[in-house]
Amino acid sequence: EPEVTQTPSHQVTQMGQEVILRCVPISNHLYFYWYRQILGQKVEFLVSFYNNEISEKSEIFDDQFSVERPDGSNFTLKIRSTKLEDSAMYFCASSLWVNQPQHFGDGTRLSIL
Amino acid sequence: AQRVTQPEKLLSVFKGAPVELKCNYSYSGSPELFWYVQYSRQRLQLLLRHISRESIKGFTADLNKGETSFHLKKPFAQEEDSAMYYCALSGGAGNMLTFGGGTRLMVKP
Repeated sequence: EPEVTQTPSHQVTQMGQEVILRCVPISNHLYFYWYRQILGQKVEFLVSFYNNEISEKSEIFDDQFSVERPDGSNFTLKIRSTKLEDSAMYFCASSLWVNQPQHFGDGTRLSIL
Repeated sequence: AQRVTQPEKLLSVFKGAPVELKCNYSYSGSPELFWYVQYSRQRLQLLLRHISRESIKGFTADLNKGETSFHLKKPFAQEEDSAMYYCALSGGAGNMLTFGGGTRLMVKP
């Protein structure tokens, strides 16, 4: 069964550095998403992406965040200048179409020192 | 604003006992609701969605619009049901999911 894959599984970065989290959505899916989960808290929506554009973003997704689909397979989340509070598990998801179930990757644990 | 509440962080039952994981939501439109499960060290997986009205692994969930609830039920819990369960609501133009805080289900032998 096809899966969403995320790399790396764990990323450790110094505060203030840029980090790029990578995702390969399921190949025929058209909608892509990023969520994050701070330890002990809820899974929170960050952004959804369709047709090379952001379709919706949350208040968390401020100017330090950006997303990109640089080629036909990857979907990336960039955090420009990381802060301690960016430490979290970041999940990528994809769905075939809007209102179709979202399939999640294993997540990337981001630790900011 | 949309919100999902799972009032129990932990639910512990014995094998063979009935299980009910509670989920309440707040949403001004017509909601689409899901249950996701996360087994130990595995990814979030879709368990079921209200629109399909099916039973997966013996679990069912009925959308009650009057009580704004979508509780997950299973008549006889199994040890392999032990996992983290998340209720989620889909809404908005970008199909964002709003998650509840999750309930950890522990099924004891």
